[in-house]
Amino acid sequence: GESVGLHLPTLSVQEGDNSIINCAYSNSASDYFIWYKQESGKGPQFIIDIRSNMDKRQGQRVTVLLNKTVKHLSLQIAATQPGDSAVYFCAENIGSSGSARQLTFGSGTQLTVLP
Amino acid sequence: EAGVAQSPRYKIIEKRQSVAFWCNPISGHATLYWYQQILGQGPKLLIQFQNNGVVDDSQLPKDRFSAERLKGVDSTLKIQPAKLEDSAVYLCASSLVPVARQPQHFGDGTRLSIL
Repeated sequence: GESVGLHLPTLSVQEGDNSIINCAYSNSASDYFIWYKQESGKGPQFIIDIRSNMDKRQGQRVTVLLNKTVKHLSLQIAATQPGDSAVYFCAENIGSSGSARQLTFGSGTQLTVLP
Repeated sequence: EAGVAQSPRYKIIEKRQSVAFWCNPISGHATLYWYQQILGQGPKLLIQFQNNGVVDDSQLPKDRFSAERLKGVDSTLKIQPAKLEDSAVYLCASSLVPVARQPQHFGDGTRLSIL
């Protein structure tokens, strides 16, 4: 799976199936995580976020799961549609004192939805 | 609400020339970020502003890159002189506040090509 540091470049799924995109993070101090979707020629688009005091969060057709024990994050997309084809990035935000909170992005996973 | 606006969308220059990018964040967003995204990679933070002050510029190559946000709203990022390795998409993002766990919202970026 994708990690902030390593990446799984591509994932192909059939239209209508569920997709699971994985992300491993290395910093146990990370306390906030975000999934972004980036279509070709566009900026990253916010999908869903989760704080470290949660294990699961659901949105519309998307679910993010956080396993702090193994430092693993996943994005599940239900009933994948052609419009879901894009690069998906996980990003971690390390808590710090003061006002500087830096987002660190992984390299991304290219999701391709097959007809 | 209007999103993050960036211009120009594309720029082609020769190495050693200078270039500037402009960003207008979402209205009311105090925090503004500039990222560099090289093809096939996740965005990398260059600089973060809180209102008109720099919060983090640790990854900004200060010998050639500069950025300002004089009135705490719009921002410009400049490269002088440009090098071949500066070819990338330059993304601007904004968020309400940096310390709370808030997602950053991105513009569509400026694609810079160095010849």
